[in-house]
Amino acid sequence: GESVGLHLPTLSVQEGDNSIINCAYSNSASDYFIWYKQESGKGPQFIIDIRSNMDKRQGQRVTVLLNKTVKHLSLQIAATQPGDSAVYFCADRFYNQGGKLIFGQGTELSVKP
Amino acid sequence: ETGVTQTPRHLVMGMTNKKSLKCEQHLGHNAMYWYKQSAKKPLELMFVYNFKEQTENNSVPSRFSPECPNSSHLFLHLHTLQPEDSALYLCASSRASDREGYTFGSGTRLTVV
Repeated sequence: GESVGLHLPTLSVQEGDNSIINCAYSNSASDYFIWYKQESGKGPQFIIDIRSNMDKRQGQRVTVLLNKTVKHLSLQIAATQPGDSAVYFCADRFYNQGGKLIFGQGTELSVKP
Repeated sequence: ETGVTQTPRHLVMGMTNKKSLKCEQHLGHNAMYWYKQSAKKPLELMFVYNFKEQTENNSVPSRFSPECPNSSHLFLHLHTLQPEDSALYLCASSRASDREGYTFGSGTRLTVV
């Protein structure tokens, strides 16, 4: 069945360090992947996406890596700041099933000052 | 604000009450979604509407009744809910049939007593 899972439910990092959040997916037909950030009291906010024909995509301080061989996705946050503290979700979308997003369980990132 | 507005932000209702959640977007999107977010669980897709037509009902109990009068508005009518229905209900929108992510509202925190 379809599932998107995260390796760790919580991650604590020191301010200024780099953070890596991992995600595994099961459906080899998934063609689009997204990372969302959810702060307390808010809905998920789009961070960065990547299509299955790419291995890497960079944004401002964030990089997403996609390894289709092992069905693994990661989000790297450079120079983590206190404002990065939130729950991070990966989601995949496969176009042949109506394009619906399937979310993983989430990793809570805590940034220590 | 993300462009997707949900009201009310908080709702407490008894098991015999009838209430409605409202979602509104003016992003020009024509697909709208209801998700349920419970503690320590992934976001669960409930309903999908494309161009006002319901295209997915993810085995949601009939005590949840969605309504989509136009592409900008989405409602979730609630009646005879159970305490386990207490959760954050998130609305999202996107351009239909588009390989893009969703824009989420801030959610309605529902407590059933």
